[in-house]
Amino acid sequence: EPEVTQTPSHQVTQMGQEVILRCVPISNHLYFYWYRQILGQKVEFLVSFYNNEISEKSEIFDDQFSVERPDGSNFTLKIRSTKLEDSAMYFCASMWGQGFLDEQYFGPGTRLTVT
Amino acid sequence: GENVEQHPSTLSVQEGDSAVIKCTYSDSASNYFPWYKQELGKRPQLIIDIRSNVGEKKDQRIAVTLNKTAKHFSLHITETQPEDSAVYFCAAKIQGAQKLVFGQGTRLTINP
Repeated sequence: EPEVTQTPSHQVTQMGQEVILRCVPISNHLYFYWYRQILGQKVEFLVSFYNNEISEKSEIFDDQFSVERPDGSNFTLKIRSTKLEDSAMYFCASMWGQGFLDEQYFGPGTRLTVT
Repeated sequence: GENVEQHPSTLSVQEGDSAVIKCTYSDSASNYFPWYKQELGKRPQLIIDIRSNVGEKKDQRIAVTLNKTAKHFSLHITETQPEDSAVYFCAAKIQGAQKLVFGQGTRLTINP
């Protein structure tokens, strides 16, 4: 069964550094998402991406964040200048999006630790 | 915007008993309600979902019910087994929107 994949599984970075988190969504899916989960808390929406542009974003997704689909398979989240509070698990998700199907499938996550 | 409240935050049941987790949502325009199971250190996995045109859905030992009038939905797990131990999240999606809004999660422990 196809799955969303993410790399790296764990990223440690120093405050102020740029990080890029990578995702490969399920191949025929059209909608892509980033969520984050601070340890012990609920999953929070960051951004959705469709047809090569951001379709929705949360207040968390400020100018420090950007997303890109550089080719036909990868979907990336960049944090320009990391802060301590960016430490979290970041999940990529994808959705087929045709008809009335709404299921979002999550990747295994990247644990980002900012020191 | 949409807000989803989930309770209880922790639930401990004996193996073989039933478990019920409840969620309420705020926006009546929400029309899709998935439930995710997250084992420690793993991805959230979709276990069941329900749309607003349906009141109940069942898949083997798992069922979800939806009360649109009261704006709440529940997950029911019957004949619980140790492998059901995990954190369960409910979520809601407003019609036409992209994002899932998650509840705070319920840590379910099945005691042998």
